[in-house]
Amino acid sequence: DAKTTQPPSMDCAEGRAANLPCNHSTISGNEYVYWYRQIHSQGPQYIIHGLKNNETNEMASLIITEDRKSSTLILPHATLRDTAVYYCIVRVAISKLTFGKGITLSVRP
Amino acid sequence: DVKVTQSSRYLVKRTGEKVFLECVQDMDHENMFWYRQDPGLGLRLIYFSYDVKMKEKGDIPEGYSVSREKKERFSLILESASTNQTSMYLCASSLGGAHEKLFFGSGTQLSVL
Repeated sequence: DAKTTQPPSMDCAEGRAANLPCNHSTISGNEYVYWYRQIHSQGPQYIIHGLKNNETNEMASLIITEDRKSSTLILPHATLRDTAVYYCIVRVAISKLTFGKGITLSVRP
Repeated sequence: DVKVTQSSRYLVKRTGEKVFLECVQDMDHENMFWYRQDPGLGLRLIYFSYDVKMKEKGDIPEGYSVSREKKERFSLILESASTNQTSMYLCASSLGGAHEKLFFGSGTQLSVL
């Protein structure tokens, strides 16, 4: 399975867009990119996933580069409640999704 | 909304005890998972079940077993608890498709003394 690399932390101002990067340079053609987040003291929460096209839902947008070696999760208008650890995962299928250390996003007032 | 319920939020056990962690989901999901989460290590998959009585090992199955006798319930068993099994345990479930989203419970913080 492709390995992902995320910076350990980042912050952004409330109301601004939060752009969370993820590198997955060894991704193979049939591997999907998934994003989950974990707010303190809760279980992880699904955000979005995609294969090669950009995806958008009510929570976020996922931008995958054309060579698929990296992606960006965009929270368009970050709020304090978006402070969490965000996990970028690359996997062929849902079975055996493995979460790494993620990136800690801090949204400041 | 899907509800995944873990029987205990906090649990304290002694070394050598047999420990049962229970997880119940209410949405008729085919897949169920057990993860453990440790500081600096992220979440690691222990076991996965894709149907009643079916199971697959995850990345760290040693020292654990599982039971899935009914579709809605997935149990994690520590046959003889050890101090290195002190951790946060998270249960999740999903529909049976290859790319369905996982729904997680709130977790059980297990301390083995």
